[in-house]
Amino acid sequence: QKEVEQDPGPLSVPEGAIVSLNCTYSNSAFQYFMWYRQYSRKGPELLMYTYSSGNKEDGRFTAQVDKSSKYISLFIRDSQPSDSATYLCAMSGSVGTALIFGKGTTLSVSS
Amino acid sequence: SAVISQKPSRDICQRGTSLTIQCQVDSQVTMMFWYRQQPGQSLTLIATANQGSEATYESGFVIDKFPISRPNLTFSTLTVSNMSPEDSSIYLCSVEASNLKGGYTFGSGTRLTVV
Repeated sequence: QKEVEQDPGPLSVPEGAIVSLNCTYSNSAFQYFMWYRQYSRKGPELLMYTYSSGNKEDGRFTAQVDKSSKYISLFIRDSQPSDSATYLCAMSGSVGTALIFGKGTTLSVSS
Repeated sequence: SAVISQKPSRDICQRGTSLTIQCQVDSQVTMMFWYRQQPGQSLTLIATANQGSEATYESGFVIDKFPISRPNLTFSTLTVSNMSPEDSSIYLCSVEASNLKGGYTFGSGTRLTVV
């Protein structure tokens, strides 16, 4: 079993849809959870950063962490064509340690 | 947040040669991380570079193949040695973000093609 599992998609939605992206993980020591967006031929860009369980909202993006289920989610409201990218979940057990990434989900938002 | 300048952005290299990738950070950072992203795959950690000590390599990566230098707190290089087509990947460096937002910042990546 991989440490972090993420459905690679691809996921195609119409503009304005609500998108739900998910990751599961096996290591209960993970405490820091991140979502990155990666456009083609670019480096990953941090979208959301969450410590431990709970929700965090930033504009159209909401990140949820359920440590009891070892499950994290990213919701995108009112999706736009510019949201078309690969979304990577990442996590670590402590500050200053390297991230463990999911495989990434490719999202396409059509206008 | 820290800004990373990574170069080259891309290169096409002959097998058997070496390529050195550079990352310059606009602030001092303790740890720098080097990742590889193979086509259609996620990011895999190659090594962690701490200034003033030898880099720590992950399983499957060795210093002879991927030597790393970390001469100061703002700069690091990764060399891909004796390249083969299997080394064709995107190579990325990363540091912890220096702002309250948290997380890690990545360079724009080096797209390497070995022919």
